[in-house]
Amino acid sequence: DQQVKQNSPSLSVQEGRISILNCDYTNSMFDYFLWYKKYPAEGPTFLISISSIKDKNEDGRFTVFLNKSAKHLSLHIVPSQPGDSAVYFCAAKDQAGTALIFGKGTTLSVSS
Amino acid sequence: DAGVTQSPTHLIKTRGQQVTLRCSPKSGHDTVSWYQQALGQGPQFIFQYYEEEERQRGNFPDRFSGHQFPNYSSELNVNALLLGDSALYLCASSVGQYLWLGYGYTFGSGTRLTVV
Repeated sequence: DQQVKQNSPSLSVQEGRISILNCDYTNSMFDYFLWYKKYPAEGPTFLISISSIKDKNEDGRFTVFLNKSAKHLSLHIVPSQPGDSAVYFCAAKDQAGTALIFGKGTTLSVSS
Repeated sequence: DAGVTQSPTHLIKTRGQQVTLRCSPKSGHDTVSWYQQALGQGPQFIFQYYEEEERQRGNFPDRFSGHQFPNYSSELNVNALLLGDSALYLCASSVGQYLWLGYGYTFGSGTRLTVV
């Protein structure tokens, strides 16, 4: 049973527009959420994170929003650039452990 | 400063064989975690090594085992390979056993294992 779900396998956006990637989770014990970006033939690269006590975290063009009541988080990329084209993974950590639980990923394509 | 180094990058094995994958953590990191990423899936946690001991384990059979050496490098061993073990195996290193706020793991580029 998937605890972290990314229901959109792919997303296409034009350069300069906003990209919104969504993630839902089921485990209320998760206390920390992270987004990773992955290019082909490379390992995932840490992008941005948010603690469960926050509802927003911003880093440059990237903002993550957390809605605990809905068990939903989203990653906003503004403005989107062609170099942002990659697979984006949402991940969560629970309070008990040190492992990350990943979603299946969303492939973002930004066209110029 | 070298990041996480994994070897080999690609590997082809036959069903029933055994395989060993290697990982050197990022300089200054002392904890190594292993993940399996099957095609079309997200990475799935196998286990974590800290102070040369397995500290946490995911839902993987005993055919998957590991080791951490005094220099913090690590090996992942898989026995009696199955076709379903074909995947990208990722190593991630970090400082300490627990994730720090604002910092994730540093992942290597992975080893692509194909079982035929």
